[in-house]
Amino acid sequence: DSGVTQTPKHLITATGQRVTLRCSPRSGDLSVYWYQQSLDQGLQFLIQYYNGEERAKGNILERFSAQQFPDLHSELNLSSLELGDSALYFCASSAQEGGVGNTGELFFGEGSRLTVL
Amino acid sequence: AQSVTQLGSHVSVSEGALVLLRCNYSSSVPPYLFWYVQYPNQGLQLLLKYTSAATLVKGINGFEAEFKKSETSFHLTKPSAHMSDAAEYFCAVSGSGNQFYFGTGTSLTVIP
Repeated sequence: DSGVTQTPKHLITATGQRVTLRCSPRSGDLSVYWYQQSLDQGLQFLIQYYNGEERAKGNILERFSAQQFPDLHSELNLSSLELGDSALYFCASSAQEGGVGNTGELFFGEGSRLTVL
Repeated sequence: AQSVTQLGSHVSVSEGALVLLRCNYSSSVPPYLFWYVQYPNQGLQLLLKYTSAATLVKGINGFEAEFKKSETSFHLTKPSAHMSDAAEYFCAVSGSGNQFYFGTGTSLTVIP
């Protein structure tokens, strides 16, 4: 058990809909990362937050947004869903803020599997 | 910019044989390198990491990796494969900025 909790574990929805994925980081970790894992794209970095502020942005679509709340949990919002958004979405947390040479390991949740029909 | 390339998306070895999973990195700054393992229906967990101390890094479950700057490589090895090693393995690099860059993964199959 990594200590990172993600809900829901599975989600099935239709094209055009909006969903929210939730992540609770490990106790004490201030950084939260979101990744998308699909068969054809591998593990893609979406976005990182540190103590409520956005720190880094990766290949996140404009239809997607995220935030980190004062209690440090994070939510990833996916809107106007398309078939291609079907994937496993991982949240990871870290004690470190990041920056040059981030030596801290990431602790991953078990993921939220999104299926768009 | 940083990136990693994992050679071979699928590797099969016999139980008891040497496991070798290849990873090459690209980094404009001294890199920090990681190997993660993902078992079916689970998240990724850290196997080992290189953070500029010893170039030979030992991890969990008998795995180790050697950082070779001249070859820009960080290959993962295990002397004797076990059935429980069957999983997806990811190499990752952390350099400038806040991002971890993951490779596309190598699926390891262990044949009894």
